[in-house]
Amino acid sequence: AQRVTQPEKLLSVFKGAPVELKCNYSYSGSPELFWYVQYSRQRLQLLLRHISRESIKGFTADLNKGETSFHLKKPFAQEEDSAMYYCALNGGGADGLTFGKGTHLIIQP
Amino acid sequence: GAVVSQHPSWVICKSGTSVKIECRSLDFQATTMFWYRQFPKQSLMLMATSNEGSKATYEQGVEKDKFLINHASLTLSTLTVTSAHPEDSSFYICSARWANIQYFGAGTRLSVL
Repeated sequence: AQRVTQPEKLLSVFKGAPVELKCNYSYSGSPELFWYVQYSRQRLQLLLRHISRESIKGFTADLNKGETSFHLKKPFAQEEDSAMYYCALNGGGADGLTFGKGTHLIIQP
Repeated sequence: GAVVSQHPSWVICKSGTSVKIECRSLDFQATTMFWYRQFPKQSLMLMATSNEGSKATYEQGVEKDKFLINHASLTLSTLTVTSAHPEDSSFYICSARWANIQYFGAGTRLSVL
């Protein structure tokens, strides 16, 4: 069975500090990993996918197959980064996503 | 681009009645759409995969007779909660797949009295 674990329900950091949101997964094959973000009163939107290997809004995430992790990082947090962040896994094909429980990120001024 | 519209955003119904939720891809065609359920303070759980022109695929533990899914066109999938009961009260979210990315609707909050 596939599983996504986000160990932190809540993460609070000060503006300008580095941020790391942890995500670990279990899957027997080669999954596709995503980070979705949900700002207050808005819908889920894609932030990053591992295959694109790009930086969006200053965030990056690297897939580490050895550690089965896909942690989300940003070197300098901004207040507008405050949101709910979900790590998600796609087992391939037309499968739906398996989501972690989400981490509520709060950036304090 | 890649906008998904979900309607209604909020519905209240009496126990025993049926409720239909629509999910539309506005600017793209989606052969595959997905329905998720989110309980308060919990994550999204995949309920079913909706395939255009064929039967939906339900996740284990999801009653297909309770949650009827129809995907009659490339831009519309509907979820009907039949004979709704208070325990069906939840937040239902759809997504549509395009270029291997899922785009989400804003969700429907269902309250069954």
